[in-house]
Amino acid sequence: DAKTTQPPSMDCAEGRAANLPCNHSTISGNEYVYWYRQIHSQGPQYIIHGLKNNETNEMASLIITEDRKSSTLILPHATLRDTAVYYCIVRGDSNYQLIWGAGTKLIIKP
Amino acid sequence: NAGVTQTPKFQVLKTGQSMTLQCAQDMNHEYMSWYRQDPGMGLRLIHYSVGAGITDQGEVPNGYNVSRSTTEDFPLRLLSAAPSQTSVYFCASWTVNNEQFFGPGTRLTVL
Repeated sequence: DAKTTQPPSMDCAEGRAANLPCNHSTISGNEYVYWYRQIHSQGPQYIIHGLKNNETNEMASLIITEDRKSSTLILPHATLRDTAVYYCIVRGDSNYQLIWGAGTKLIIKP
Repeated sequence: NAGVTQTPKFQVLKTGQSMTLQCAQDMNHEYMSWYRQDPGMGLRLIHYSVGAGITDQGEVPNGYNVSRSTTEDFPLRLLSAAPSQTSVYFCASWTVNNEQFFGPGTRLTVL
């Protein structure tokens, strides 16, 4: 599976959009991009995933570049409860192993 | 639905002791996995299962055993605990599109 690179930490003001980048330059054609978050050492929580089209759900939007080498997770109106570590992961359907990096620690400031 | 449950929440062991971490899911998910998470790091896969009776090793399997006799349960056994196994352990279950559901974790300290 392709490796991912994320900034170790980011700040965002409450009420603003939080944009979290992820590089996955070695991603292959059948690999999906997944985002999870982990709030204060709880179990990770699924946010969203996509293959090549942009995706949106009730939690966030996922923007994947046309060459699929990078993506951005967007939390449209960040709240204090969005403070967490955000993980970007890539994997294919035929592989059951997820490779987790250290993620991005997102701090939402009032 | 309770989702994914793990017991115990906390455990302290002495070096050389053995124990079993319990994991159960009530979502009828075919796939389950065990991860460990050390401070400041991401999760690392220990073992996983793609169905009852079928298990396989992940990234860090040494010192751990698993079995999957039913769809619901996936226990993790520490054979002879070592201080290096001090960690937080997460169990997860998922469906074919790989949205993983995680339990609350077991915090293990080995003295």
